[in-house]
Amino acid sequence: AQSVTQPDIHITVSEGASLELRCNYSYGATPYLFWYVQSPGQGLQLLLKYFSGDTLVQGIKGFEAEFKRSQSSFNLRKPSVHWSDAAEYFCAVGAHYGNKLVFGAGTILRVKS
Amino acid sequence: GEEVAQTPKHLVRGEGQKAKLYCAPIKGHSYVFWYQQVLKNEFKFLISFQNENVFDETGMPKERFSAKCLPNSPCSLEIQATKLEDSAVYFCASSEGVAGAYEQYFGPGTRLTVT
Repeated sequence: AQSVTQPDIHITVSEGASLELRCNYSYGATPYLFWYVQSPGQGLQLLLKYFSGDTLVQGIKGFEAEFKRSQSSFNLRKPSVHWSDAAEYFCAVGAHYGNKLVFGAGTILRVKS
Repeated sequence: GEEVAQTPKHLVRGEGQKAKLYCAPIKGHSYVFWYQQVLKNEFKFLISFQNENVFDETGMPKERFSAKCLPNSPCSLEIQATKLEDSAVYFCASSEGVAGAYEQYFGPGTRLTVT
């Protein structure tokens, strides 16, 4: 069965500092991987996705993520964090067929000025 | 429309009352998904539809929960005899296809509070 682990419940970074949010997945084949962001009281917005090909994917708002099969990881990165990036971030894995998403528990990002 | 619409935004029900939530998928999307987010973190898949047909209902509680997607109507998720544990935000998502490569677009959610 698919599963996603986000080891960090909370992360605090200073504005302008770099960011890495960790995500590990379990899936029997090459997974479809997603990162979503949820601002308070809002729905989910897709930041980026990995299906195949280049293992470094670029997303919106300056985010990128790298798929590492050997580590079963799909970590999200941003070189310089802005205060507006404070939100909760969810990693998800999708089945090849059926499209049901399995989410991690989320990481809350706090940005300090 | 170009966004997934969910109504109502907030819903308060006394324990034992019925709750009904609605979702209008993006026009042209054939697949609708319902997820439950409890305590503002973990998302749980409930059910998916291909047009008006149930596609995957493995996440639906066997009792009290039902869902429909009828032609020319918003999809609905209904909870009979709500319990305190049903308090959650319910998200609807839609996509063009069922293969994992198709992006799901999420609505803003309906917050259900059971008192």
